[in-house]
Amino acid sequence: NAGVTQTPKFRVLKTGQSMTLLCAQDMNHEYMYWYRQDPGMGLRLIHYSVGEGTTAKGEVPDGYNVSRLKKQNFLLGLESAAPSQTSVYFCASSYATGELFFGEGSRLTVL
Amino acid sequence: GENVEQHPSTLSVQEGDSAVIKCTYSDSASNYFPWYKQELGKRPQLIIDIRSNVGEKKDQRIAVTLNKTAKHFSLHITETQPEDSAVYFCALSYNTDKLIFGTGTRLQVFP
Repeated sequence: NAGVTQTPKFRVLKTGQSMTLLCAQDMNHEYMYWYRQDPGMGLRLIHYSVGEGTTAKGEVPDGYNVSRLKKQNFLLGLESAAPSQTSVYFCASSYATGELFFGEGSRLTVL
Repeated sequence: GENVEQHPSTLSVQEGDSAVIKCTYSDSASNYFPWYKQELGKRPQLIIDIRSNVGEKKDQRIAVTLNKTAKHFSLHITETQPEDSAVYFCALSYNTDKLIFGTGTRLQVFP
């Protein structure tokens, strides 16, 4: 039982490049989330999903897109990376409105 | 919408002393209030939570209190130990699918 797995764990991009972060969970959770963590800013919600095929915007959705084609996977995409998107990204899942189970995080640097 | 303010941003205590972290919120409809602990370089993990129909909850050395009238909730850690050193996040939600986090408190426990 791996829990929540994020790939890649580290990535360096140049401004304007695109990339996708993959989150996979094996707990059969309905809800999945993408947060970003920046010093002094806490965890800010980017997008979330309450089930397969559904997505919704969080607090800071601009510049990101997401897809939930399969229940166990939640993808976060950056179409044109900007230095302001340098951050640590955490994926999380939950059964319902309750405890979130986080992945280990993905550190993204945009030069 | 949901919003939460967390204070203090840093807190230093002597081993054995108590530590208190407070969060205030604006939406009186918020009804779920968890606390997460994040050790350096690790993922956030739930340590305790409370729902709006309860005023206080304890789990060994940690407790959470909720004042719905004043719209604030607090984390109390007694008999602090060096392993309590971490960043603590409060969070909240209202019957929704998303959890909004505070900006975090860095707790340092000195031996």
